[in-house]
Amino acid sequence: QVHLQESGPGLVKPSGTLSLTCDVSGGSVTSSNWWSWVRQSPGKGLEWIGNIYYSGSTKYNPSLKGRVTISVDRSKNQFSLNLRSVTAADTAVYYCAKLGGLYLDQWGQGTLVTVSS
Amino acid sequence: QSVLTQPPSVSGAPGQRVTISCTGSSSNFGAGYDVHWYQQLPGTAPKLLIFDNINRPSGVPDRFSGSKSGTSASLAIAGLQADDEADYYCQSYDSSLSLWVFGGGTKLTVL
Repeated sequence: QVHLQESGPGLVKPSGTLSLTCDVSGGSVTSSNWWSWVRQSPGKGLEWIGNIYYSGSTKYNPSLKGRVTISVDRSKNQFSLNLRSVTAADTAVYYCAKLGGLYLDQWGQGTLVTVSS
Repeated sequence: QSVLTQPPSVSGAPGQRVTISCTGSSSNFGAGYDVHWYQQLPGTAPKLLIFDNINRPSGVPDRFSGSKSGTSASLAIAGLQADDEADYYCQSYDSSLSLWVFGGGTKLTVL
């Protein structure tokens, strides 16, 4: 089974861009899978951010109002999340995950991103 | 407010059976979309527990079982153990909102 590992800055300034990468090992990002980002605000529940297919097709949570972009880098076997114009409300643990059907069957360990000046 | 509704907390003594409910609507469960369940132990990432209503991934004990009927679903945990203490989330797809949706989570306390 694949192993997923998130990486990126743990601190982002308000109005800046949150950028995270998910490294995929034990499998290929170009396999016929959808890949996802999910976040969890401190002490809160899970929120789906979006999905990307290896071909580049994407689906995003409308609540993020066009601030989000998910991309895939086949050469590095990874996919990425960019979230623009962040505020304190975007402080959360961000998880990357693999979709199996309509469920998330493999998750990364998560990375905490704090939005603060 | 979550699209899928779960009780905030449930509890049970070791060895007992508990159930966690998850209530949806006509645009998710009622539209035929399946329910999936995740277990999140303290300080860890969620882990898939039940998929497609009733199926357990390899390695998940058969003490965990799922069901779905109409616009409601439930997760049952039999023979409660101390290390079952965790947060449990239900998840589905909502065709009206066009997004993957989660319940608000249920904290299971083993007394």
